[in-house]
Amino acid sequence: RKEVEQDPGPFNVPEGATVAFNCTYSNSASQSFFWYRQDCRKEPKLLMSVYSSGNEDGRFTAQLNRASQYISLLIRDSKLSDSATYLCVVPRDGNKLIFGAGTRLAVHP
Amino acid sequence: EAGVTQSPTHLIKTRGQQATLRCSPISGHTSVYWYQQALGLGLQFLLWYDEGEERNRGNFPPRFSGRQFPNYSSELNVNALELEDSALYLCASRAGTYNSPLHFGNGTRLTVT
Repeated sequence: RKEVEQDPGPFNVPEGATVAFNCTYSNSASQSFFWYRQDCRKEPKLLMSVYSSGNEDGRFTAQLNRASQYISLLIRDSKLSDSATYLCVVPRDGNKLIFGAGTRLAVHP
Repeated sequence: EAGVTQSPTHLIKTRGQQATLRCSPISGHTSVYWYQQALGLGLQFLLWYDEGEERNRGNFPPRFSGRQFPNYSSELNVNALELEDSALYLCASRAGTYNSPLHFGNGTRLTVT
């Protein structure tokens, strides 16, 4: 099993749709998690940290399920500008941060 | 506040040559991470430096090396370049706290011909 796994997609959704991505991880000791978005041929940009109690930032909600070892990202009211690749980040050995391969989202009019 | 800066933006080398990539972290950040992203692929962890020391490295051969300077800037060196080293090399910095996220520079696009 890969250390961090994401469905590569693409997820093709219309504007206004709600879409959710999961990211599973294998190291049960992992503590802090993050979601990044990456536009084509650009650097990843932090979207949000993932707290154990779950957290929300506008249209974005992140959840952590420790028992099943996955984190999720929910995007409500999708915009065209949300089209990107979404990367989850899982720590290993404390400070070694491992990226998932990413999930592609394409929002269409 | 200035973000993470990387130089050069683009670098073209021939097989067998050496490449040096540079990174300046956000002021106050002591940790620097290097990742390789080949075209169409995910980010692969290369190296992590903190307080001037190499703390961890990914599954890359020894010809990938680097260092961190007293001002926390960092260099990544790739010796004996191979065609498959062509990729976007991303540097990120992080504050010392355990739960802090990575902040990335714009990357150096290395092309080996």
